[in-house]
Amino acid sequence: DTAVSQTPKYLVTQMGNDKSIKCEQNLGHDTMYWYKQDSKKFLKIMFSYNNKELIINETVPNRFSPKSPDKAHLNLHINSLELGDSAVYFCASSPMDQNYNEQFFGPGTRLTVL
Amino acid sequence: GDSVTQMEGPVTLSEEAFLTINCTYTATGYPSLFWYVQYPGEGLQLLLKATKADDKGSNKGFEATYRKETTSFHLEKGSVQVSDSAVYFCALRGYQKVTFGTGTKLQVIP
Repeated sequence: DTAVSQTPKYLVTQMGNDKSIKCEQNLGHDTMYWYKQDSKKFLKIMFSYNNKELIINETVPNRFSPKSPDKAHLNLHINSLELGDSAVYFCASSPMDQNYNEQFFGPGTRLTVL
Repeated sequence: GDSVTQMEGPVTLSEEAFLTINCTYTATGYPSLFWYVQYPGEGLQLLLKATKADDKGSNKGFEATYRKETTSFHLEKGSVQVSDSAVYFCALRGYQKVTFGTGTKLQVIP
């Protein structure tokens, strides 16, 4: 199926650990994003990549590092996890970085830090 | 900077009731406007969009009109169903960035 996929769907880990979330899109899109959704459903942009190049880097701790090996993949690595990192993380993509293009979202990764 | 303001939820309606979820925005330039829907346990998916003033987006019985004079993009549906229960997000896309509203939870009861 053509889609945006994320792995894992659930991630439970201890404070201080390092973890990664992977995202892949097979839609041929140029732009990919990471969002964080908190328990109140508030959605916050974290990063945006266009053709493997970082174009948006919002105020996010340095512990979060995105990596885009090719334009179909955008992974998120988190160092030294903290309780406040618990959230649902969504990957998304869009055809081109034009304002008329909608975004296609993955199913989300629910991260729980204990 | 750009911003989107949505009415706070939750909104609880009986089946077949009329739905309005208000959305207003501030932006520079000529943004596009979107409504996304998030069903429980899933990612967001596009419901409808409008890319210029006076455009009307529509899908699955939902409608919204891009009103530049009132900077609004209110979502409406004439008769909601239980299956419409979800969280609805208004979004604005300007240069390089998408700004989302805080989301409005809709619960439709039989």
